[in-house]
Amino acid sequence: KAGVTQTPRYLIKTRGQQVTLSCSPISGHRSVSWYQQTPGQGLQFLFEYFSETQRNKGNFPGRFSGRQFSNSRSEMNVSTLELGDSALYLCASSLSGGGIDTQYFGPGTRLTVL
Amino acid sequence: TQLLEQSPQFLSIQEGENLTVYCNSSSVFSSLQWYRQEPGEGPVLLVTVVTGGEVKKLKRLTFQFGDARKDSSLHITAAQPGDTGLYLCAGWINYQLIWGAGTKLIIKP
Repeated sequence: KAGVTQTPRYLIKTRGQQVTLSCSPISGHRSVSWYQQTPGQGLQFLFEYFSETQRNKGNFPGRFSGRQFSNSRSEMNVSTLELGDSALYLCASSLSGGGIDTQYFGPGTRLTVL
Repeated sequence: TQLLEQSPQFLSIQEGENLTVYCNSSSVFSSLQWYRQEPGEGPVLLVTVVTGGEVKKLKRLTFQFGDARKDSSLHITAAQPGDTGLYLCAGWINYQLIWGAGTKLIIKP
């Protein structure tokens, strides 16, 4: 069974631009969660989608948004990029989400904002 | 302020030594998980502890969940260079996964 895939793996943008990251979950998984990982703040929860609905949201500004498609693939968008948005963005998929079952993480997208 | 305080942040020891990593909080978690992350990869789940006082063993790794479900520890016996990595604890609270800052572990041959 293929694992969680994220594209692109690396991205360089400049301040003020916007970016879209993509996550393909493991086949059959309906929950996709997104996390931001930085050296200073560690891993922080962004949001979780289940069956195309945002079910849970972390404490991030509205510039961070996401969506999930009917095939469970998910995208995350960051608008008006700031230097502090430079981070590793991880997505994780699970069957049901919410801590009930195991989350499987993708390799992440490394975003650098210049 | 981290909801989950993980210590130590960095540990470098010789092969064969024992070590313990701690994860503490003032909050009660429905479950607590330990992950290991290698450079360029996402975290990989090692174990989930659910019941207060629970002890789980994974080869040379022993995980314990505190009686009050507020803290956990990871003990590695006879560490090996292959144990090198970033160890993360994370707890489920209100359907969100809250993470510790991580312990960067280096085992020198």
